[in-house]
Amino acid sequence: ETGVTQTPRHLVMGMTNKKSLKCEQHLGHNAMYWYKQSAKKPLELMFVYSLEERVENNSVPSRFSPECPNSSHLFLHLHTLQPEDSALYLCASSQDVRNNQPQHFGDGTRLSIL
Amino acid sequence: DQQVKQNSPSLSVQEGRISILNCDYTNSMFDYFLWYKKYPAEGPTFLISISSIKDKNEDGRFTVFLNKSAKHLSLHIVPSQPGDSAVYFCAASGYGSSNTGKLIFGQGTTLQVKP
Repeated sequence: ETGVTQTPRHLVMGMTNKKSLKCEQHLGHNAMYWYKQSAKKPLELMFVYSLEERVENNSVPSRFSPECPNSSHLFLHLHTLQPEDSALYLCASSQDVRNNQPQHFGDGTRLSIL
Repeated sequence: DQQVKQNSPSLSVQEGRISILNCDYTNSMFDYFLWYKKYPAEGPTFLISISSIKDKNEDGRFTVFLNKSAKHLSLHIVPSQPGDSAVYFCAASGYGSSNTGKLIFGQGTTLQVKP
């Protein structure tokens, strides 16, 4: 198993659909993250979870709803998204949220909103 | 306002030569810096990091230099290989006591190493 696995790799959905992105890490880490990468923009942090507790919510619209049932799994629930939400969504994990801890990324979910 | 900037969108070097990728930051509270490499259709891969208490960190062909007074860091790859062709992102963290693991990324520099 690779370190951080994201499913699905590609997702096309309409604005009224509800879908979920899944992330699983096999590194024994305690912190997990969601990032968004839009075209020609830097990666933007969305959410941070430490030991299943959300510790950062970076002004993300409520149509994105994260869930962290345990330290190995992270979900991003999507509903009534907008076309501008089309982007690459990346999950990452690290040993914990302290500084000096590299984050390890999955390969991302490419999301397209019709 | 972007706190981490990579002003060169692309760089092309010959195989065997040195590649130098640059990154500037504006927030003096940053105290930990990282470089990631990203191939198409893959997530970013951690390469090397440096703490603000150091000015150099080396790992094989990769060396990161930090100039705190200039708020500048650079990644040197010597010798460059065609497999190094990828997008390179610098990132920074460190907000004093907040410690939420928040990384701020630059826009990336696309490196092409020609055989």
